[in-house]
Order: sequence, then structure tokens, then C-alpha cells
Amino acid sequence: QTLVTQEPSFSVSPGGTVTLTCGLTSGSVSTTFSPTWYQQPPGQPPRPLIYNTNTRSSGVPDRFSGSILGNKAALTITGAQADDESDYYCVLYMGGGLWVFGGGTKLTVL
Amino acid sequence: EVQLVESGGRLVQPGESLRLSCAASGFTFSSFSMNWVRQAPGKGLEWVSYISSSSSTIYYADSVKGRFTISRDNAVLYLQMNSLRAEDTAVYFCARRGTVLTLFDYWGQGTLVTVSS
Repeated sequence: QTLVTQEPSFSVSPGGTVTLTCGLTSGSVSTTFSPTWYQQPPGQPPRPLIYNTNTRSSGVPDRFSGSILGNKAALTITGAQADDESDYYCVLYMGGGLWVFGGGTKLTVL
Repeated sequence: EVQLVESGGRLVQPGESLRLSCAASGFTFSSFSMNWVRQAPGKGLEWVSYISSSSSTIYYADSVKGRFTISRDNAVLYLQMNSLRAEDTAVYFCARRGTVLTLFDYWGQGTLVTVSS
């Protein structure tokens, strides 16, 4: 069974840039998987940030961007702020009625 | 304003059944596909089930196939959960599917299901 991989944790300094990735244990992530990124602050439901690889959801600041980097989907945060400290999840549509979330990345801003 | 409000979660024993509800408002419910996504305590998100706007297409994760049944009626989404196991313990979120397959654009606050003896 193919799993979706994410870095368990990442740290960034305020004002810095960080790139989180979303890969597969077997194969490459492409736009076909419609990679979507969610931010989940503690105790809250997830909210969408980036969908369909690189489209920002309504109200999401432009310092969040999505792309394909090599064989993975990527979420880049430019000019990180304290309230970006959160859990970030990617989800891929694997086809055949199967959506798979990555394990999530806990981002620390310090 | 789009609102999704889950209910029905509680403590149950292994093997028991439970039905979750998700009351939708602020949008034309019959026009949108819906999903259930769960999150075990301290763990990541897991997609559970999908139902199309007309209920004609339904999908389940392998982990719940044969035990859970998704349905919808009027402005309420349901998840009937049978033969519950300890590993089903989680917060269950309902989420509206947006314009893209992977875009769950609105989420409820979730309801906690605890399966324990």
C-alpha cells in the first residue's frame, strides 16, 4: 500500500522561508493527484490553504504557495509568522475513490 | 455562512454501534459531495468516506469498509458505524467537498467517538 509521506517536524525562524514536502513511498507526486494542503491549529479543524497543487484558497495570504518540486508536492511559506505555527497536512487523490492524507508536519516558528 | 455541526459521538464499548450526524446549513446541501474524515487522539487525519451529491457514488477507506455506512438526507450527513473497534477512537469531522477532488473546503468542529471497555 502506497503511503503519503511528510516531514514529521520542521522549524523556521520568524521572517524565514520554509518548504514542506508531500511524497509517496512508491512513485512520484504529480498534479494528477490534485495535491492539497491544510493547516490545522491546535484544537481546531483543518482549513484549506492550497488546492490543486498551487491554487490558494480564499483568504489565504500570498506568502503561502504550492508547487511540485522534483517528485513531491511542496508547500512554501515565505516570511513565516508566529501564527503559522501549526500542523500541516497534504492530501492526494489516489484514484478509484481513495483519498490519502500524509502524516502531517508540525511546524515550529522560533 | 456555511456551517457544519457534527453530533452523536460518545463512549461506546467494542462491538457496539453508533450513528453520527452532521447538520449542514448556509449552502445548498444537495449540490455538494460530502466526506467524513477522522483524527485519532494526537494523530494525523484519515479520510473515512465520501458520498456524492446525489448519493449515487459512495466510497470508503479500507479500514472501515463493511462496517461503516455513509448516507445523507435533506441537510444532514450521516455515518452509521457498526462493530466498532478501539482503533476507531477519533474525532470525526464532516467536510464539504469543494470544486476540486481534494478540496474539502468547509469542516465541522468534529465529534469525539471513544471505543473502550
